[in-house]
Amino acid sequence: DSGVTQTPKHLITATGQRVTLRCSPRSGDLSVYWYQQSLDQGLQFLIQYYNGEERAKGNILERFSAQQFPDLHSELNLSSLELGDSALYFCASSPKRGGGELFFGEGSRLTVL
Amino acid sequence: KNEVEQSPQNLTAQEGEFITINCSYSVGISALHWLQQHPGGGIVSLFMLSSGKKKHGRLIATINIQEKHSSLHITASHPRDSAVYICAAMNYGGSQGNLIFGKGTKLSVKP
Repeated sequence: DSGVTQTPKHLITATGQRVTLRCSPRSGDLSVYWYQQSLDQGLQFLIQYYNGEERAKGNILERFSAQQFPDLHSELNLSSLELGDSALYFCASSPKRGGGELFFGEGSRLTVL
Repeated sequence: KNEVEQSPQNLTAQEGEFITINCSYSVGISALHWLQQHPGGGIVSLFMLSSGKKKHGRLIATINIQEKHSSLHITASHPRDSAVYICAAMNYGGSQGNLIFGKGTKLSVKP
């Protein structure tokens, strides 16, 4: 158990809909990262938050947004969903702003029909 | 050409065999991660390397910065080692989480 909790584990929805994925980092970890793993693209970095502030952005679509709350949990919002958004979404946490080991959650599997 | 290349893509071994998975990268990096992903999907971080060699149990990871190459070795392999192993490079100047991932090596260890 990494100490990182992601909910929901599985989610099935329709095109055009909006979903929110939630991540609770390990106790005390200030950094949260979001990654997408799809069959065709593999794993890709989406976005990082550190202590409530956006720190780095990767291949995140404009239809997607994220935030980190004062209690350090983070949410990834995916809107106007398309079939191609079907993927595993992972979050990871780290105690540091940069550098150090990453601790991954179990992932949220999103299926868009 | 991908910035992070892994070989082989698939690997089948008999229990007890010594296994090597290779990772080559074309970008300047500040660190390289080895990750393990089990069939259920969860990802575990095995190593983070910036130079030399690290060992944890039966797993050994090495990196050669000059040659831009890293290897993951598994000694005395066991069926429970069956998983996808992913290397990921962290660019110079990038956030630690801004990793460039290889496509993974699927390892199957037969009893």
